[in-house]
Amino acid sequence: DVKVTQSSRYLVKRTGEKVFLECVQDMDHENMFWYRQDPGLGLRLIYFSYDVKMKEKGDIPEGYSVSREKKERFSLILESASTNQTSMYLCASSSPGAANYGYTFGSGTRLTVV
Amino acid sequence: QQQVKQSPQSLIVQKGGISIINCAYENTAFDYFPWYQQFPGKGPALLIAIRPDVSEKKEGRFTISFNKSAKQFSLHIMDSQPGDSATYFCAASPRGNFNKFYFGSGTKLNVKP
Repeated sequence: DVKVTQSSRYLVKRTGEKVFLECVQDMDHENMFWYRQDPGLGLRLIYFSYDVKMKEKGDIPEGYSVSREKKERFSLILESASTNQTSMYLCASSSPGAANYGYTFGSGTRLTVV
Repeated sequence: QQQVKQSPQSLIVQKGGISIINCAYENTAFDYFPWYQQFPGKGPALLIAIRPDVSEKKEGRFTISFNKSAKQFSLHIMDSQPGDSATYFCAASPRGNFNKFYFGSGTKLNVKP
């Protein structure tokens, strides 16, 4: 089974801190994604990457950046954390060549910014 | 502006009943429509998916009905069980767009014993 692992389940950070969320997948998937999940808003795409060192903005990239130095790892960076970035963050991966190209999600990181 | 609109926000069904969740979209470039199931503390997991060349897909107790002309699709859970209690998300992806999915806002299903 494809596994997507997010390094932290829960994080508490202070306003203004630089925050790193790490995601690793073990199935050689080309595409990786970062979403945030908020009640009533569903999942909103922050950034995605379709290849090493490549990145594309999603629908809500403001206040975030990403890094993909290796195919299996995709990092989300909050440059200066703010309270409105308190959320559940979900990483996903997929392979566009697969017949069923749905995402495989990690278990999520619940980030609280105080 | 949400590209995929999902309703209802929450749903309570008795054990053995039918759960129905609806989604609508506007973008005719969408060509893949999955449903995800999410249990508390877990990431969403792919449940079932459909392409617009068929009007229905069934896997066990789960069925997707797809109406291309109305740009609507729905998830039916037959003989709903307490273990089906979860949040369900519909999603849609346009062809040739790096696999980027647009998600509905989610439906929290509670199946009462």
